[in-house]
Amino acid sequence: TQLLEQSPQFLSIQEGENLTVYCNSSSVFSSLQWYRQEPGEGPVLLVTVVTGGEVKKLKRLTFQFGDARKDSSLHITAAQPGDTGLYLCARYGQNFVFGPGTRLSVLP
Amino acid sequence: GAGVSQSPSNKVTEKGKDVELRCDPISGHTALYWYRQSLGQGLEFLIYFQGNSAPDKSGLPSDRFSAERTGGSVSTLTIQRTQQEDSAVYLCASSTPLAGGTGELFFGEGSRLTVL
Repeated sequence: TQLLEQSPQFLSIQEGENLTVYCNSSSVFSSLQWYRQEPGEGPVLLVTVVTGGEVKKLKRLTFQFGDARKDSSLHITAAQPGDTGLYLCARYGQNFVFGPGTRLSVLP
Repeated sequence: GAGVSQSPSNKVTEKGKDVELRCDPISGHTALYWYRQSLGQGLEFLIYFQGNSAPDKSGLPSDRFSAERTGGSVSTLTIQRTQQEDSAVYLCASSTPLAGGTGELFFGEGSRLTVL
C-alpha cells in the first residue's frame, strides 16, 4: 500500500507569516495533487504536479514536486486568515488515495 | 446542477438502523468515488466506480457497507445495521479520468451521519 504521510499534522500561525507543509511517501508517484478543504465543504483541487523537480505557483502558494517524485511541499507566503483549512495531498494509483492532511489555522 | 450533489446533508439515526446516502455526480463524469471523513481526520477511501468496470470495493470497512451506481450516474452508499463508529462525513467525488491520474476530483459537500 502506497501510504502518504503529511507533516505537520497541525499548524497555527499569525497572519503574515510564511509556512511550509510536506507530503511524502516511500513510493514513487506518477502524479500528485494538493487539495484544500474548508469546514463544511468538500476538498477543492489546488494543483497537480507531474514532473520531478517541478515547481508551480498559485498566487502566494508555491508547490514543489521532489526530484525523485516521492515527496512534495506546499509553501505559503504571507499567510492570510482565508488560507485556514485542511490541506490534503493525494496520489493516483488504482484509485485516489489521500494523506491525513495538515490542518492550518491562520490567526488575524 | 453543475456540481456534485449529495443527500441528505445530515442524517441522524439510531444504532442498528440502515441508512442510504445518495450521490449525483457531474454529468458526463465516468469515475465516482466514496470517501469517509471522521471528525478532524483525512479522507478514507471506500469505493470507486469507473464506467462499466467492476467497482474497486477494497476500502469498504465491513460487509455492512455496500454501494451501487445505476446507469453510470447516480450512486447510493448503503450502511446496514449502523454502529456508532460509522458516524462521519461521507464524501462523494466524480471525475473524468486522465492519463497518469491527473484528472481532478470534484467533491460534493458530504453527508454527515450521526449514529446515536
